[in-house]
Amino acid sequence: QKEVEQDPGPLSVPEGAIVSLNCTYSNSAFQYFMWYRQYSRKGPELLMYTYSSGNKEDGRFTAQVDKSSKYISLFIRDSQPSDSATYLCATPRGGATNKLIFGTGTLLAVQP
Amino acid sequence: DVKVTQSSRYLVKRTGEKVFLECVQDMDHENMFWYRQDPGLGLRLIYFSYDVKMKEKGDIPEGYSVSREKKERFSLILESASTNQTSMYLCATRQSYGYTFGSGTRLTVV
Repeated sequence: QKEVEQDPGPLSVPEGAIVSLNCTYSNSAFQYFMWYRQYSRKGPELLMYTYSSGNKEDGRFTAQVDKSSKYISLFIRDSQPSDSATYLCATPRGGATNKLIFGTGTLLAVQP
Repeated sequence: DVKVTQSSRYLVKRTGEKVFLECVQDMDHENMFWYRQDPGLGLRLIYFSYDVKMKEKGDIPEGYSVSREKKERFSLILESASTNQTSMYLCATRQSYGYTFGSGTRLTVV
């Protein structure tokens, strides 16, 4: 079983839709979770991070962690064509070095 | 903002060549990382360094080595390039709650 799993998509939605992107993880010891956005031919950029359970909101983006089911989600409200990208979830494996483990990414296309 | 610069965006090399991928960061961070990114496999950690001359293997170090002689520079070396090393290579530096990535080097081995 992979440590972090993510549906690769692609996911295509009309402009203005609410988008839900999801990941599951296997190790209940994971505590920090991040979402990265990667535009085509660019490196990933940190979008949001959360600690433990609950929600965190930043503008049109909401990150949610459900530790009981080992499920993390990113919601995008009022999606825009500029949101079209690959979204990657990630978590530090733990220990002093905090190496990040990534999901495989979900490709999102927002149609104008 | 932290800037991570990878020297080449695209590289084409021949099988058996020794290949150097260079990465420079401008924020004095101790931790630097090399990942490769492949469709369906996501990002996989090759090597990382937590200080000058200090390195540790990641999940897929076979066929690679690294060098960190100065804090700002972290090099990935393909000792003898093979076609299965054709990939996108991403360098990153660590900040408090996440990594900052370079734009990547698309390496094709023919």
